[in-house]
Amino acid sequence: QSALTQPASVSGSPGQSITISCTGTSSDVGGYNYVSWYQQHPGKAPKLMIYEVSNRPSGVSNRFSGSKSGNTASLTISGLQAEDEADYYCSSYTSSSIFYVFGTGTKVTVL
Amino acid sequence: EVQLVESGGGLVQPGGSLRLSCAASGFTFSSYWMSWVRQAPGKGLEWVANIKQDGSEKYYVDSVKGRFTISRDNAKNSLYLQMNSLRAEDTAVYYCARDQRDIAVVDYWGQGTLVTVSS
Repeated sequence: QSALTQPASVSGSPGQSITISCTGTSSDVGGYNYVSWYQQHPGKAPKLMIYEVSNRPSGVSNRFSGSKSGNTASLTISGLQAEDEADYYCSSYTSSSIFYVFGTGTKVTVL
Repeated sequence: EVQLVESGGGLVQPGGSLRLSCAASGFTFSSYWMSWVRQAPGKGLEWVANIKQDGSEKYYVDSVKGRFTISRDNAKNSLYLQMNSLRAEDTAVYYCARDQRDIAVVDYWGQGTLVTVSS
């Protein structure tokens, strides 16, 4: 089972919108609506931002939104803020021998 | 407030053993699957293992099968990971996490404990 593919880095200016992609296969992202997104600041634990493709947990800003088309899921951050600078990981249920597969991770830089 | 606190990490020689613990609070521990997820230094996240509410089902990533054992004690609200025959590639921060398996999401994570396998 290979990791889901994410761009290594994405950047944007404050107030702008950015989108992070997460590409898998029909055995994971494309086959199930069980895609999650996590934010991780340096030295900290991951924080759940999106689950089931587009649902936000209580307390997560509505500037974060998720979607999916075919084998690719996306996380959009609108109104980019300095505090959004972090690493972001996608995750999906997979029908392979492991239960969860994570993405390669994307470093978001706020210019 | 959900809290997960890991302990037990440290430096161990290749081939050695270590037992990680995770103390849970702020939710009904016995009602949830639980997972261990690791992150090698400077690398991405890797799911390691999970365990059903009553401990009757356990699943592992292939690379740790036969070496790691996940277990839980619902009376103590605690999760464990027994790690044997450790290898250099097991070096990572190990996170304890609450696992909502019915919707395939790991929603709360501990702060992690570092395991370093080196001679």
